[in-house]
Amino acid sequence: GAVVSQHPSWVICKSGTSVKIECRSLDFQATTMFWYRQFPKQSLMLMATSNEGSKATYEQGVEKDKFLINHASLTLSTLTVTSAHPEDSSFYICSASPLESGRDTQYFGPGTRLTVL
Amino acid sequence: GESVGLHLPTLSVQEGDNSIINCAYSNSASDYFIWYKQESGKGPQFIIDIRSNMDKRQGQRVTVLLNKTVKHLSLQIAATQPGDSAVYFCASKVSSASKIIFGSGTRLSIRP
Repeated sequence: GAVVSQHPSWVICKSGTSVKIECRSLDFQATTMFWYRQFPKQSLMLMATSNEGSKATYEQGVEKDKFLINHASLTLSTLTVTSAHPEDSSFYICSASPLESGRDTQYFGPGTRLTVL
Repeated sequence: GESVGLHLPTLSVQEGDNSIINCAYSNSASDYFIWYKQESGKGPQFIIDIRSNMDKRQGQRVTVLLNKTVKHLSLQIAATQPGDSAVYFCASKVSSASKIIFGSGTRLSIRP
């Protein structure tokens, strides 16, 4: 149980285009989902926290108009990278916190590798 | 500000030996700590956690030690195996908050 999936697992796009990444909790409902970005040989950096039905909370330095987050249901959150540029190339990872497990538990997805040409 | 850091970026151990990965944190309000394993191209995988009311917790082949006085925690892996090769992250959290803060990571490599 407690599986989080991401789609796509990798994507290559041209500079200036937008890319949508989906994060799904497959066998549980998630009150909160988190989006992280990880550059090569670096740690995970939290980008934003999203709660179902409300606006996401972005970390300092993360442009909310560039990284659009939608959390329309208790099992799905999406991250859209708008007008992507090569510097947005990164590994994007989501995590989900189950409804019934309290605030400490997070299950991570497998990540999405974004390459912007 | 809040940060979690690791003492060593890389660690090489002989197969069968024990591995010890260290981590320091700066936020004294942190009361929940987690160790994750990340293999190349994959998301983090939960290994073990510990709350601040404990100083030691054991799992299968892994032990986490917490020293709140010096804000330090460690992950011990017994009888290290080739499958343990990965990057290990410590992370900390304040229970009243939702977000987890990750450390910089230690790459563990196993010598045959």
